[in-house]
Amino acid sequence: QKEVEQNSGPLSVPEGAIASLNCTYSDRVSQSFFWYRQYSGKSPELIMSIYSNGDKEDGRFTAQLNKASQYVSLLIRDSQPSDSATYLCAVNKYGGATNKLIFGTGTLLAVQP
Amino acid sequence: KAGVTQTPRYLIKTRGQQVTLSCSPISGHRSVSWYQQTPGQGLQFLFEYFSETQRNKGNFPGRFSGRQFSNSRSEMNVSTLELGDSALYLCASSSSTGVGNEQYFGPGTRLTVT
Repeated sequence: QKEVEQNSGPLSVPEGAIASLNCTYSDRVSQSFFWYRQYSGKSPELIMSIYSNGDKEDGRFTAQLNKASQYVSLLIRDSQPSDSATYLCAVNKYGGATNKLIFGTGTLLAVQP
Repeated sequence: KAGVTQTPRYLIKTRGQQVTLSCSPISGHRSVSWYQQTPGQGLQFLFEYFSETQRNKGNFPGRFSGRQFSNSRSEMNVSTLELGDSALYLCASSSSTGVGNEQYFGPGTRLTVT
């Protein structure tokens, strides 16, 4: 079992729809969670971080964390073609001792005009 | 504020050679982490430096090493290059540590080993 799992996709949504990206993690001690966006040929760009159960909103993006279910998700409202990219879920299970992140393999999102 | 910079951006090396990659973190950031990204293995943690000390190391052979200088700039070195070392090498900087502490990636160095 991988420590961080994501559906590789592609996840195809029409422009203007809500894209829902999911991530599960195996280690219950994991404390903080991050979503990165990576365009082809570019480096990952931080979108959201979350470490408390519940929802965290930033513009069109909402991160949701459920520690009991070991599940974190990212919702993108009003999806745009420019949102087409690979979305990486990352987990820090070490708390404040280190910044080591464990990444999922990413979900490819395709927003259709 | 300037972002994370990495040099060089592209490198082509031959098997058996060694290579040194450089990373300058965001001003004021003291933590630098290095990652390797390949199509087959995805993003994997190499090591982290904080205040010139290696704080954590991933599961990579000893051919991979790094260091951090007093100005927080970091270098990583790969000796005796193998074809499988071809990858995008990314560094990420962070202001400190702690739950929820965020990391920002540089543009990466694309290494090709022939």
